[in-house]
Amino acid sequence: DVKVTQSSRYLVKRTGEKVFLECVQDMDHENMFWYRQDPGLGLRLIYFSYDVKMKEKGDIPEGYSVSREKKERFSLILESASTNQTSMYLCASSPRRGPSYGYTFGSGTRLTVV
Amino acid sequence: GESVGLHLPTLSVQEGDNSIINCAYSNSASDYFIWYKQESGKGPQFIIDIRSNMDKRQGQRVTVLLNKTVKHLSLQIAATQPGDSAVYFCAEPGGYQKVTFGTGTKLQVIP
Repeated sequence: DVKVTQSSRYLVKRTGEKVFLECVQDMDHENMFWYRQDPGLGLRLIYFSYDVKMKEKGDIPEGYSVSREKKERFSLILESASTNQTSMYLCASSPRRGPSYGYTFGSGTRLTVV
Repeated sequence: GESVGLHLPTLSVQEGDNSIINCAYSNSASDYFIWYKQESGKGPQFIIDIRSNMDKRQGQRVTVLLNKTVKHLSLQIAATQPGDSAVYFCAEPGGYQKVTFGTGTKLQVIP
């Protein structure tokens, strides 16, 4: 069964810490995405990548960066965590071309910044 | 600006009844929509999609209707079951298959 795996289900970090959220997919997909999900706001795109070492800002990139050194791995980095980054983070991947039902999500990482 | 949104945040339905979840969109050029289901503790999963050259598409117990005149689509779930309890999103793919999601409707199935 193909999947997108996020390394942690729950994380608690302190304000000012550097935080890494890891995402790995085994579907050989070109595109990978990071979203955050907040009540009443739905899913908002933080960053995406359409190839190794390529990245594009999404709708809310401030306070985040990303790294894509290998095709299967896409990391989200919070350089200095703040309480307003407490959220559910969802990683997704999709093939470059093809129907969007190839858009597969991980189970999410719930991050709490205290 | 352009948006994809839902009318109601929460919908409670008796088990066995049909559910209807609504979604409005504002971009008249939109030509493809997807419905996702997100169960508690899981990421969104694809349910069904529809292109703008169609008015209706049916899946297993689900039907999506598209009304381009009023820029509205709906997801109908027949004979709603407890396992249908989830948050449902309509979504619109964009470039690089970026997807814009609505805020979601929570479906609660009453046994």
